Amino acid sequence: EIVMTQSPATLSVSPGERVTLSCRASQSVSQSVNDNMAWYQQKPGQPPRLLIYGASTRATGIPARFSGGGSGTEFTLTISSLQPEDFAIYYCQQYNNWPHTFGQGTNLEIK
Amino acid sequence: EVQLLESGGGLIQPGGSLRLSCAASGFTFNNYVMTWVRQAPGKGLQWVSGISVSGDSTYYADSVKGRFTISRDNSKNTLYLQVNSLRVEDTAIYYCAKAVRAYATSPPLDSWGQGTLITVSS
Repeated sequence: EIVMTQSPATLSVSPGERVTLSCRASQSVSQSVNDNMAWYQQKPGQPPRLLIYGASTRATGIPARFSGGGSGTEFTLTISSLQPEDFAIYYCQQYNNWPHTFGQGTNLEIK
Repeated sequence: EVQLLESGGGLIQPGGSLRLSCAASGFTFNNYVMTWVRQAPGKGLQWVSGISVSGDSTYYADSVKGRFTISRDNSKNTLYLQVNSLRVEDTAIYYCAKAVRAYATSPPLDSWGQGTLITVSS
């Protein structure tokens, strides 16, 4: 199975800052023009919410301050200006190969 | 509005079995790949199992292969997960989730239920 490694495990930042989260796959999750990588946000007591798929496509209703990038084995999620509601845990997931593995998460906390 | 409602969780002894259900509404269920994802208390997300739109193809995490069985009844708009030979490490909230696009064969997940908790303990 493909192992997804996220870094850092925890990130302490202030509202208004720009932040970039990283995710590395143990093998390529891209095929042809498709980058089969998604990002989710999860807040305490809630199910995850899809933010980004196809490495860079925002899901319905996701604000433009969220952007994704990368291909192959290296991917990023950038939040351009952190809002108070953005402090949460973020997970990457590859859906190129079954099983569709998740990273261990990055906890974005208020500094 | 898409709704996914899981049920069937509970407290069970090691070695026991349960059948989880996920009742779907608000979309054409038989057009979407469906998935189970779990989350142990205080831990991250773990992908568990996925099933094709027809139910002919099923996929499992290595940790549950041979013990869990995913299925669907498209006439009832319901997804199932039969969980057998339960272990303490299977304790988790089990979420069902829907693919982001109809007919996508290997999709990300855009709608999730609130989950049902399985606690495996003697």
